[in-house]
Amino acid sequence: DTGVSQDPRHKITKRGQNVTFRCDPISEHNRLYWYRQTLGQGPEFLTYFQNEAQLEKSRLLSDRFSAERPKGSFSTLEIQRTEQGDSAMYLCASSQPPEGASYEQYFGPGTRLTVT
Amino acid sequence: AQSVTQLGSHVSVSEGALVLLRCNYSSSVPPYLFWYVQYPNQGLQLLLKYTSAATLVKGINGFEAEFKKSETSFHLTKPSAHMSDAAEYFCAVTKPPAGNMLTFGGGTRLMVKP
Repeated sequence: DTGVSQDPRHKITKRGQNVTFRCDPISEHNRLYWYRQTLGQGPEFLTYFQNEAQLEKSRLLSDRFSAERPKGSFSTLEIQRTEQGDSAMYLCASSQPPEGASYEQYFGPGTRLTVT
Repeated sequence: AQSVTQLGSHVSVSEGALVLLRCNYSSSVPPYLFWYVQYPNQGLQLLLKYTSAATLVKGINGFEAEFKKSETSFHLTKPSAHMSDAAEYFCAVTKPPAGNMLTFGGGTRLMVKP
């Protein structure tokens, strides 16, 4: 168990550029979540997948944001036409299905995005 | 809808003193509750969880929390603070049985004075 990994750890981009982040969950976890955390705030839910199906999206996930999990393993989060307000830490988490009665979400180290 | 309120965005204690971080929740169904800790520039680490078993939950690093339904609270305590406990602490709630998204409070930054 190597934990949840995220790449890159830091990304600086200019306003208007597109960025893509990757998350690799714990291998036996079929649920994967994306959260956004701005400075001094708690994480806010963006979206989650069960296997390759995207089951829920927050209204925070504007049409400039898209997430995929094509083979039910790693996931990508893309932000198009970045804005300064997109500057935040993007956290990925994974968990076992609720039938396992665990409900624990294991978080990666995050990708810190700075839009200049 | 669920929500979490953490009273006190900053808490300062002396090393060896009691740590008390407050969390109140709002949920339409009996919730599952979590405390996470975040060190600078790192992800979140689970301290402990309440999932409808014992109301007094023990976690890692000497922390514990008590679920009080009548007070809709899930406060985090530690009898004796250590310098290494200085971090940001987040209370979170989810709604069983789906258990999909976590709703987090705004966090409490714990500072430990020598």
